[in-house]
Amino acid sequence: GQNIDQPTEMTATEGAIVQINCTYQTSGFNGLFWYQQHAGEAPTFLSYNVLDGLEEKGRFSSFLSRSKGYSYLLLKELQMKDSASYLCAVRDSNYQLIWGAGTKLIIKP
Amino acid sequence: IAGITQAPTSQILAAGRRMTLRCTQDMRHNAMYWYRQDLGLGLRLIHYSNTAGTTGKGEVPDGYSVSRANTDDFPLTLASAVPSQTSVYFCATGGGGETDTQYFGPGTRLTVL
Repeated sequence: GQNIDQPTEMTATEGAIVQINCTYQTSGFNGLFWYQQHAGEAPTFLSYNVLDGLEEKGRFSSFLSRSKGYSYLLLKELQMKDSASYLCAVRDSNYQLIWGAGTKLIIKP
Repeated sequence: IAGITQAPTSQILAAGRRMTLRCTQDMRHNAMYWYRQDLGLGLRLIHYSNTAGTTGKGEVPDGYSVSRANTDDFPLTLASAVPSQTSVYFCATGGGGETDTQYFGPGTRLTVL
């Protein structure tokens, strides 16, 4: 079966750095996405990786290793507004997105 | 309209009733999707449409139907609601292009009693 694993919850301090990991086992691979979802709101797109390596977008970076079935989202200079759930999703061989359950990130002052 | 709209925002429904969740986009995206999101589970695909006039089944299609008469609208119908269909429902569109990123509507919170 297809599976996306992420930690359920993480806590970090304002101003610090946090890394959210995602491991996947899917039938085929056509890209990996990270989304942010604030409580009660819709998911919003953060990043996309299809080749191995690091993609950087301001305070957020996303890394992919296809051979290891592994990605991480790195958030720097954490702000209180970064408190949200972060969803990892992989596009499989049918071009459908398979979603992880999400990681709830709690930021403490 | 700006982006993707969904209606209603929330609804409480008696079991056995028929319900249609509406989704409209003005982004001119070909692909549209319906997901449900339940606590502790990832988003699960119910139905999708790659282009107007075509639809397909996702991971959890039972009890739901869709239609895609035009590019903009993609309604989801529950023919006879059951309590297990209590969930938050998100409509999404596919942006196409290199990444084919999906963009989400604000969601409908449905409670079936």
